[in-house]
Amino acid sequence: DGGITQSPKYLFRKEGQNVTLSCEQNLNHDAMYWYRQDPGQGLRLIYYSQIVNDFQKGDIAEGYSVSREKKESFPLTVTSAQKNPTAFYLCASSIQGQGMDGYTFGSGTRLTVV
Amino acid sequence: GQNIDQPTEMTATEGAIVQINCTYQTSGFNGLFWYQQHAGEAPTFLSYNVLDGLEEKGRFSSFLSRSKGYSYLLLKELQMKDSASYLCAVRDHTGGGNKLTFGTGTQLKVEL
Repeated sequence: DGGITQSPKYLFRKEGQNVTLSCEQNLNHDAMYWYRQDPGQGLRLIYYSQIVNDFQKGDIAEGYSVSREKKESFPLTVTSAQKNPTAFYLCASSIQGQGMDGYTFGSGTRLTVV
Repeated sequence: GQNIDQPTEMTATEGAIVQINCTYQTSGFNGLFWYQQHAGEAPTFLSYNVLDGLEEKGRFSSFLSRSKGYSYLLLKELQMKDSASYLCAVRDHTGGGNKLTFGTGTQLKVEL
């Protein structure tokens, strides 16, 4: 079955450490996205990629980095420069068309700074 | 940029009807989506509107007025399992692609 997989489900990070969140899809989608969700603030876009080897900053890219070396994979690194990284992180993918296809979401990674 | 507003919380009774409103401002509107999200889980797709009017899908309906920048999600015959957050999201064609901007979500509580 096609889908999008995020790992790990829960992640704990010490202050000053970089951590990488995994996102893999086998839907043959061209576009992939990373969102951050905090209580009462909905989903905010961190980075997105419309094609392999290309990505753009979203609304809150500071303190994050991404790569898109393969169509299937879009890992997100939360760097030590991100001052408040505790949040629920959602990865999504979509086709590049303009139709009714929205996003397919992964199940999310909950990151906690300890 | 885009601005999307929806109520933070709503409460309704099992078996009743509830309407969740969403207003938006965008420079290049190209579709509006509604998602349902249970706590700690991924959002799941509910509906899509790109033309004015009502789209019905079982107990759920969604309405769009592009001239007013307004949409609503209508949930009928409410069930306890409908207690969740409902996210309004707008797609615009600026920069191409399929990028969505989400509202803050409306937390719906269904009571007996």
